[in-house]
Amino acid sequence: QQPVQSPQAVILREGEDAVINCSSSKALYSVHWYRQKHGEAPVFLMILLKGGEQKGHEKISASFNEKKQQSSLYLTASQLSYSGTYFCGTEYSGSARQLTFGSGTQLTVLP
Amino acid sequence: DAGVIQSPRHEVTEMGQEVTLRCKPISGHNSLFWYRQTMMRGLELLIYFNNNVPIDDSGMPEDRFSAKMPNASFSTLKIQPSEPRDSAVYFCASSLRGIYEQYFGPGTRLTVT
Repeated sequence: QQPVQSPQAVILREGEDAVINCSSSKALYSVHWYRQKHGEAPVFLMILLKGGEQKGHEKISASFNEKKQQSSLYLTASQLSYSGTYFCGTEYSGSARQLTFGSGTQLTVLP
Repeated sequence: DAGVIQSPRHEVTEMGQEVTLRCKPISGHNSLFWYRQTMMRGLELLIYFNNNVPIDDSGMPEDRFSAKMPNASFSTLKIQPSEPRDSAVYFCASSLRGIYEQYFGPGTRLTVT
């Protein structure tokens, strides 16, 4: 039931773009994105509700394709501060209100 | 405003001992969550309180784990007896709107030897 994130890890240079995907085998009501830096707590980035909504946070944006049961996180012109592990949390339609987190995507931005 | 406060930040204990983790949510938040994070299993929800009432405890591993929220500003997670496989980072999170926009505390790193 855990959503599947891909890739597991990505390394890029400052200024490059990256895409992180989150896929579910079950119908989704919402998708939540968090970032966790090493040794710190996860920090909320954004929520996407069903309806194909796209949201943004600085140069980080995301989309939610309800039919495909997947969400993608787009990091544009990456900065060093974007390094960390990105988690998607999924809320399934018709189930108790809770988030199930994926295993995370480790993003490393090099100078 | 202070964020979510957790104590202790680190706990090392021997197998069989009782462990109590503490959490103070952000003032005004009405939902509180306990998570466990390990390399193998990732970030797992243990229990979710809304207005001090447990809503979903399906993630609590077994009877050795118990959680309480006696009032809106305090919650505890107790493990008795502790086992080495309980070693993990335990996060407490709170929110104003149910599962949406959760604010995580710094975590308690528990090591059971």
